[in-house]
Amino acid sequence: EAGVAQSPRYKIIEKRQSVAFWCNPISGHATLYWYQQILGQGPKLLIQFQNNGVVDDSQLPKDRFSAERLKGVDSTLKIQPAKLEDSAVYLCASSLSPTPGELFFGEGSRLTVL
Amino acid sequence: GENVEQHPSTLSVQEGDSAVIKCTYSDSASNYFPWYKQELGKRPQLIIDIRSNVGEKKDQRIAVTLNKTAKHFSLHITETQPEDSAVYFCAASINSNYQLIWGAGTKLIIKP
Repeated sequence: EAGVAQSPRYKIIEKRQSVAFWCNPISGHATLYWYQQILGQGPKLLIQFQNNGVVDDSQLPKDRFSAERLKGVDSTLKIQPAKLEDSAVYLCASSLSPTPGELFFGEGSRLTVL
Repeated sequence: GENVEQHPSTLSVQEGDSAVIKCTYSDSASNYFPWYKQELGKRPQLIIDIRSNVGEKKDQRIAVTLNKTAKHFSLHITETQPEDSAVYFCAASINSNYQLIWGAGTKLIIKP
C-alpha cells in the first residue's frame, strides 16, 4: 500500500514570497490533515478535510494560509506572503475517517523562510 | 483551551532499562490518547493508543496507562533497545471529530 506522498521535501524562500505544498493521501482515506511542526514542538493542526469539505480550520492563519482539497483526494497548502515564523515542517496526514484511529503521515515538507 | 503537557523533554536511559514518559491533559471530555514515535528526519508513526474506557494496554515491550480521574497517561517502554531512540509524542483527542492536541515531545536517548 502506498503511503502519503508530499512534495516538495524542502523549500527555501525569502520572506514575503509564496510557496505551495502538495499532498496525496492514502487511497480511500476520506480525512486529510495539514499540520505545522516547528522544531522542538509537537504537530499543530492547521486544517482538517473530510472528503472535499473543511471540518476545522480554526487554527489556520487565513490572512496568509489557504488550503484546498478539490475532488476529495489531493490537497494543496499555500502560504502567501510567507513570514520568518512560518519556518517549519508541514506534515500531511490521512485517515480512513475522523473516528479514533491511526493517522498516516507523509514525510513532510520542510520550509525555511529567510 | 485544551492543553497537553508532556514530561520529561529529554530522557536518557541505559540500554535494557525501562523508560517512562508522562502526559497530562486538561479536557475531561478527551477520550482517545495515542502515542507516536518520530525518528530523526522521519514521519511520526503510531506505536500504541488507548481509549478512555480502558485503564491499561500493552503491546510487547510497550504499554500505556490511563488515569482518567487525574487526567494523565503514561508510556512505558521496557528492555529498551538502541532502536527505541527517537522523539515520542503523546496526544489527546478533543471534540467529536477526534482532533488531536499534541504534547511537545520527549527525546528518548538509549545509552549503550
